[in-house]
Order: sequence, then structure tokens, then C-alpha cells
Amino acid sequence: NAGVTQTPKFQVLKTGQSMTLQCAQDMNHEYMSWYRQDPGMGLRLIHYSVGAGITDQGEVPNGYNVSRSTTEDFPLRLLSAAPSQTSVYFCASSYSFPGSDEKLFFGSGTQLSVL
Amino acid sequence: ILNVEQSPQSLHVQEGDSTNFTCSFPSSNFYALHWYRWETAKSPEALFVMTLNGDEKKKGRISATLNTKEGYSYLYIKGSQPEDSATYLCAFHTGTASKLTFGTGTRLQVTL
Repeated sequence: NAGVTQTPKFQVLKTGQSMTLQCAQDMNHEYMSWYRQDPGMGLRLIHYSVGAGITDQGEVPNGYNVSRSTTEDFPLRLLSAAPSQTSVYFCASSYSFPGSDEKLFFGSGTQLSVL
Repeated sequence: ILNVEQSPQSLHVQEGDSTNFTCSFPSSNFYALHWYRWETAKSPEALFVMTLNGDEKKKGRISATLNTKEGYSYLYIKGSQPEDSATYLCAFHTGTASKLTFGTGTRLQVTL
């Protein structure tokens, strides 16, 4: 049971570098999302997608890009890394957008440090 | 910006103690309230999704209640065990946007 697979688990970047965090799910979920977790703050939504070809911004989208070319994959791109993007990133998915009795399934997280 | 507040921020109890936490959320435009358990070095896992005022859900020694009219939910743990040590997150959904708004969590530590 793979569920939601996130890679890499850890990453160190220099300021200005770009990279892509990968997220894949094998549960045929329509809804996928990216959150960041910072000390003293709740999980904050970066971007989300309600289906292939459809993406939208969350609370903190600046500095990040996403695309959803397939149902399974939802990569998060950091265009030019900044120290403020040092955080733990979680990918989460749901059969439909979370509501009613639909819960989120989370990936294992990526610890990102930007120096 | 929706405000979801959880209290207390952290809690330290002895094995066998019962405990409870609070999640407060806007009472207007309610659609669903989620509870997640997040153990250190793991990913958050769903405990409950609650949608109706007066809902009560139970999973083993953990239960939750929901009051949508006054905007709060309680999570109870009966007879705490060390394996209950985790951060407990609640998240609120209005139904008008495709996202959950999370609280900052209650960190529970259970010692022998």
C-alpha cells in the first residue's frame, strides 16, 4: 500500500537554486495539495488541485509553482529558493476536495533547508 | 482569513490520566471539522471527520464531540498511554473553498 509518496525526504539548497518536490498517489484521488509546516504555525496551504489540469493557489503560494498533468502526480517547484522557504513540506490527497467525510492522506514530508 | 485555535498548546500527563483538548473555529459557514494525529517523524493521520452539530465519534480510547453553533470541538483521550504522545491537529472546512484551515495543534506527552 504505497498511498502518498513524497521525495526527497531531506534537501539542502543554496539561495537562488531551484528544485522540484515530487508527490505521487496511487489511490485515484482527485484532490491533491501541498502544505508547509513552520514552528508555531499550523499547516498552511501552498497550492492545491481538484483534478488533472486544474490547480489553484492556497494561502502562501508566492515562490512556488505546481502543475497537474496526471491524476497521480502533483509536483511542487521552487523557482528560486529563499531562506524563508526553509520548512517541512507535506503533500496530501483526498478522493474529492476535503469535506463531508473525506479525510486527507498525507505523505511522509520533506525537510527543506535553504542556506 | 479563518481563525482556528487549539488549546492548550501543550500538555504533559501521566500514563492512565484522561485528558481533553479544545478546537475553536468560526461558527458561521460550517461544513466539516477534522481531527488528525501527528506523531514525531511520521505524517499526520486522520482520526475523525465530523459534519453534524452534536456529532460524537469514537475510536478506541479517543473520542470527539462537535458543537457547530458555538464553534468548538473537544477531543478526549481516556486512560492515556505513552503511544498517545503526538501532536493533535484540528482543521476546519467551510465548504465554499477547496481547502482545510488547520490549527497550530496540541502537543501531548504521556509519561510512565
